[in-house]
Amino acid sequence: DTAVSQTPKYLVTQMGNDKSIKCEQNLGHDTMYWYKQDSKKFLKIMFSYNNKELIINETVPNRFSPKSPDKAHLNLHINSLELGDSAVYFCASSQPGTWTDTQYFGPGTRLTVL
Amino acid sequence: KNQVEQSPQSLIILEGKNCTLQCNYTVSPFSNLRWYKQDTGRGPVSLTIMTFSENTKSNGRYTATLDADTKQSSLHITASQLSDSASYICVVSDSEGRGGGADGLTFGKGTHLIIQP
Repeated sequence: DTAVSQTPKYLVTQMGNDKSIKCEQNLGHDTMYWYKQDSKKFLKIMFSYNNKELIINETVPNRFSPKSPDKAHLNLHINSLELGDSAVYFCASSQPGTWTDTQYFGPGTRLTVL
Repeated sequence: KNQVEQSPQSLIILEGKNCTLQCNYTVSPFSNLRWYKQDTGRGPVSLTIMTFSENTKSNGRYTATLDADTKQSSLHITASQLSDSASYICVVSDSEGRGGGADGLTFGKGTHLIIQP
């Protein structure tokens, strides 16, 4: 009964390649997010989608393109991977509209660019 | 600029001992403050969420306090267990909570806690 799932868990690839990470949530939440956690363990938001529509796009290179086919899925496609993209990427979801919308995080995808 | 500072950066204590983690923030307007626990190789899991009107909130052996005047929060862990070894992340929201989602969340860098037997 995984609430937020991501695939793959590990991804090792060469510089310049294109890769995708998939995320699914079965909590019925309206909002989904992508976060990047760097080697210093600092979590930084990348994107936020509410009901399939983009509501936040932080300063992220346009090589990163999120796609939300429905409100339960938010995939992250990365073009022309660079060494600096190596990090752990977390998907999360929440139900906004309340004072305390808790975010539920997925297990993370560790991306290593060689 | 909104900021969340956590201390200490890392902490090692013996099993069974208590410890307190600190979080200072300069986020305005304040909406709520959350503590997350992140086990190694896992995603963060919410421990507590506190609004401006709450001073203390407990979740088992975890007790969070909030002083909205001094903009400080603490997470106290009682009778630590080996499974408490993790990173603890403080997150402060300046969202007005009206469907804003993640905008306005400011993350701390976390405190890495190690419990030794």
